[in-house]
This record gives sequence, structure tokens and C-alpha cells, in this order.
Amino acid sequence: DVKVTQSSRYLVKRTGEKVFLECVQDMDHENMFWYRQDPGLGLRLIYFSYDVKMKEKGDIPEGYSVSREKKERFSLILESASTNQTSMYLCASSPTWDLTGTGRRPQHFGDGTRLSIL
Amino acid sequence: GQQVMQIPQYQHVQEGEDFTTYCNSSTTLSNIQWYKQRPGGHPVFLIQLVKSGEVKKQKRLTFQFGEAKKNSSLHITATQTTDVGTYFCAGRGSNYKLTFGKGTLLTVNP
Repeated sequence: DVKVTQSSRYLVKRTGEKVFLECVQDMDHENMFWYRQDPGLGLRLIYFSYDVKMKEKGDIPEGYSVSREKKERFSLILESASTNQTSMYLCASSPTWDLTGTGRRPQHFGDGTRLSIL
Repeated sequence: GQQVMQIPQYQHVQEGEDFTTYCNSSTTLSNIQWYKQRPGGHPVFLIQLVKSGEVKKQKRLTFQFGEAKKNSSLHITATQTTDVGTYFCAGRGSNYKLTFGKGTLLTVNP
């Protein structure tokens, strides 16, 4: 069974701090994703990565960066945390894209990190 | 960019009643996935629809993909308290990125 592990379930940080959220998956998936989930806004994609050292911006990348030095690990970095980044952060992984567009490649999610910026 | 609209945002039903949530995409999709998130949990994959007009069933859940591959629905027959949660659709467009709808929160009164 796929396991996606996020380093912290709850995290409290202060405005201006540099914050690291870590995610590890154990299924050798090529693709990894970071989302934030806010009430009424659903899941919004921050960044994703389709290979080691590769990254692509999602819909809301401002104020965030990512790092993928190893295949199993994908880190989300808040360069200078602000109160509007208080949210639930979800990491997900999935196997390689099916180039025909018909592959059944679900995303597997971690339990999430509830981050509060004070 | 691609947008996926999902309605309703909330639905409260009595146990035994039916429930339906709808998704509409601004662009044609290569496929659509459905996820369920229980309260306090994370989204869990339910199913993927690929073909135009496709209908799939999982026990009391029926999933449909529109003929134009721009809309989809999830119908639950005779809801149970175990169906409580938020149901998300997620559409994959030509760039292989998944775009999630905002979800429908289903609550069931026993």
C-alpha cells in the first residue's frame, strides 16, 4: 500500500520565519505535489515535481519554493512565513504520467500538516 | 487556465435519501477522477473515468462522465452515515495536471 508521510501533523511558526514542510513517499513514484486546502476553496496546487530536481509552478506558487533532491522526498519551503499562509498543507504522489492520457494514475495523499503562522 | 466547478458546496440529507454532486470543466478533459475526504482525513481516490459517456458503479455510488468530456457527476443511492465527507472531482486536461473542484461536503442525518 502506498504510504505518503508528512513530517508534522501540526506546526506553529511566527511571521517572517523560514518554514520547511517535508514529505516522503515509499512507492518510487515519479510525481509529487504540494497542495493547500482552505475552507470553501478546495485543493489548490502550489508546486509539483515530475522528477528529481525538476519542479513546476502550480496555481498559487507565490511565497513558496520547493526542493526535490531525492526521488522519495519533496519539500515545501515558505521563504518568509506570513499569516495568510496559515492553512492545511497536503502532499501527494502518483506514478508516471501515462502519455496517452488514459492511464489510471491516482494521487495518494499524506495526512496533511496544519500550519499556523502567528 | 483550466477551471473545474463543483456544485453544490454543501448538501445535508436524511439517511436513506439520495445525493448527487456535479462537476463542470471549462475545457475538455482527458479523464476525471473522484476523491472522498472523511472529516479529519485526507482525500482518497475513488475512481477514474476516461471515455466519453462512461458510467461506472461502486456499490451505491454511480459515476458518470459526460459525452463532451466536460462534465461529470457522482450519485449516491440511499445514503448512509458512513458516506459523510467531502467529495472532490479532479479533472486532467491536456497538460496532465489535475485540477480539483472545490468539493461538496455531504452530511447525513441518522
